[in-house]
Amino acid sequence: GAGVSQSPRYKVAKRGQDVALRCDPISGHVSLFWYQQALGQGPEFLTYFQNEAQLDKSGLPSDRFFAERPEGSVSTLKIQRTQQEDSAVYLCASSLPNTGELFFGEGSRLTVL
Amino acid sequence: TQLLEQSPQFLSIQEGENLTVYCNSSSVFSSLQWYRQEPGEGPVLLVTVVTGGEVKKLKRLTFQFGDARKDSSLHITAAQPGDTGLYLCAGAYTNAGKSTFGDGTTLTVKP
Repeated sequence: GAGVSQSPRYKVAKRGQDVALRCDPISGHVSLFWYQQALGQGPEFLTYFQNEAQLDKSGLPSDRFFAERPEGSVSTLKIQRTQQEDSAVYLCASSLPNTGELFFGEGSRLTVL
Repeated sequence: TQLLEQSPQFLSIQEGENLTVYCNSSSVFSSLQWYRQEPGEGPVLLVTVVTGGEVKKLKRLTFQFGDARKDSSLHITAAQPGDTGLYLCAGAYTNAGKSTFGDGTTLTVKP
């Protein structure tokens, strides 16, 4: 597709459930980023891939968060044993290397009850 | 620690007014981006500034990068209701991958 596609757009999970969020980046964009955005705040960095290599995962808040991009295209962000504080919008972005110019998807809004 | 401070946090003005919002940092960035985000959507890239002192214009929007590449401003002339949204600045370092975002300025333009 022409833009970054994320699914699901909305996810409601009970506390303790596992969730998986999918990101399909712009074709040809080797860099892929995951950000978390709480209400009223700017996006906070979670992790970054260049092709299939996860080059930076310093922003992942705990070992319950895991991201992968096995074939260097589609990426999945997995959150295990969800907690209420995980409720946020999870944004995926892709870019050409080292431009700083991010192209975002519409986000996946996670609500943990 | 917030590396990028944006001000004001909220701004509500009437259609036709001019406004300026600011993005300040103690860090020097290789480049700085401005994005606009509408409710329920992801941020959309408006502009990239790279050179200290650089000025870029996008229709009624004027972006300036500070001489020291630590701060930036966005000026909107004759604001319209369609300009309403969250304006985010983000700093990037060459070869460092991630961009760091400020918390944004929420702009409301009333008709």
